[in-house]
Amino acid sequence: NAGVMQNPRHLVRRRGQEARLRCSPVKGHSHVYWYRQLPEEGLKFMVYLQKENIIDESGMPKERFSAEFPKEGPSILRIQQVVRGDSAAYFCASSISRPSNTGELFFGEGSRLTVL
Amino acid sequence: SQELEQSPQSLIVQEGKNLTINCTSSKTLYGLYWYKQKYGEGLIFLMMLQKGGEEKSHEKITAKLDEKKQQSSLHITASQPSHAGIYLCGAFPSGNTPLVFGKGTRLSVIA
Repeated sequence: NAGVMQNPRHLVRRRGQEARLRCSPVKGHSHVYWYRQLPEEGLKFMVYLQKENIIDESGMPKERFSAEFPKEGPSILRIQQVVRGDSAAYFCASSISRPSNTGELFFGEGSRLTVL
Repeated sequence: SQELEQSPQSLIVQEGKNLTINCTSSKTLYGLYWYKQKYGEGLIFLMMLQKGGEEKSHEKITAKLDEKKQQSSLHITASQPSHAGIYLCGAFPSGNTPLVFGKGTRLSVIA
């Protein structure tokens, strides 16, 4: 049974380029969450998606960041025109039910973005 | 918005010693999660607490949610080098919103 799979594990981009991070949730999970972890800081919630829908994007920066979770395929977090401040570890998590059902969130190993 | 304050921020203990990490919430907790993160890796689920006064144990790690449901403590007995890492507490601000996390407690265990 595969857990949450994220790729790439490491990504290097130059300022102004685009970064695409992929997340395949645990099989059967339809709820996906993206978190960002900056050096020496905790995990910050970015966006919560459920198949084809964005449920909560209150933690997403207003510009350059977007996320999707299509009917088929992985969830994608896209960062356009990256800047150095975007360098961070991006974690994806999935759950089988809504947050209120207090199910466990399964986390991926993270994608570490470095912007030169 | 709900804030989770973890203390201490970092901790260095000698192997074999006991230690406690605290997580204090600015609001009532609807569910409190403890995760462990090894440096440079993902998060590993440790346990989840829901009811005030609830206590759970896994191997040498015990977590408790206080009666008023605004604080949780994580206790490690006879620490081992394998316990080293960052311990994160997470909670739901309300019923349907995703987990928010404290900044973590960085634990080092020295021989």
